[in-house]
Amino acid sequence: AQTVTQSQPEMSVQEAETVTLSCTYDTSESDYYLFWYKQPPSRQMILVIRQEAYKQQNATENRFSVNFQKAAKSFSLKISDSQLGDAAMYFCAYRSAEGGSEKLVFGKGTKLTVNP
Amino acid sequence: KAGVTQTPRYLIKTRGQQVTLSCSPISGHRSVSWYQQTPGQGLQFLFEYFSETQRNKGNFPGRFSGRQFSNSRSEMNVSTLELGDSALYLCASSFSTSGQETQYFGPGTRLLVL
Repeated sequence: AQTVTQSQPEMSVQEAETVTLSCTYDTSESDYYLFWYKQPPSRQMILVIRQEAYKQQNATENRFSVNFQKAAKSFSLKISDSQLGDAAMYFCAYRSAEGGSEKLVFGKGTKLTVNP
Repeated sequence: KAGVTQTPRYLIKTRGQQVTLSCSPISGHRSVSWYQQTPGQGLQFLFEYFSETQRNKGNFPGRFSGRQFSNSRSEMNVSTLELGDSALYLCASSFSTSGQETQYFGPGTRLLVL
């Protein structure tokens, strides 16, 4: 079974600075998808970024980028120019590309605080 | 386009009762998945449906069940509620199960079991 580990329960960053959230995963599959979801205090889970394992290029979405290291099974999220609205729980998630299942396996999450 | 909607948003029940939660996916989406979120266990997959068929089920007791209707709306039912069932129940929808799709989450139903 696949597992996702987020080793940082809490992180804090100063507004306008850069922060990196860590995620490692364990799988025997070669094809899969990785995601970062954001859950603000309002509780609506929002997709931040996704990465296909077969793509070597790291995904980017505006101020959000990932460092995907397939061999190391590492998938970190970098947030540049942090804003107060970035404060939230961030979840790393894994989805197999086999079998057509939409099942997401989530890490425990990292609570990000942005200080003004 | 309206997002994923879940009703009710909040619910209080007592032990032994049963509860039904509803999820309406984004228009055109045919895949619906359910997750339980608790402080202790985090986010755990319950089940997923596509075209009225359950495709996958998580490791939950048989008290947890679900179904999907022809309009893709989904319900989950929890019978004989236990205190440990108190959680935020999240529903997510996507267009298909091709693996290329993004899942969109609803706001959740907060269930409190007393």
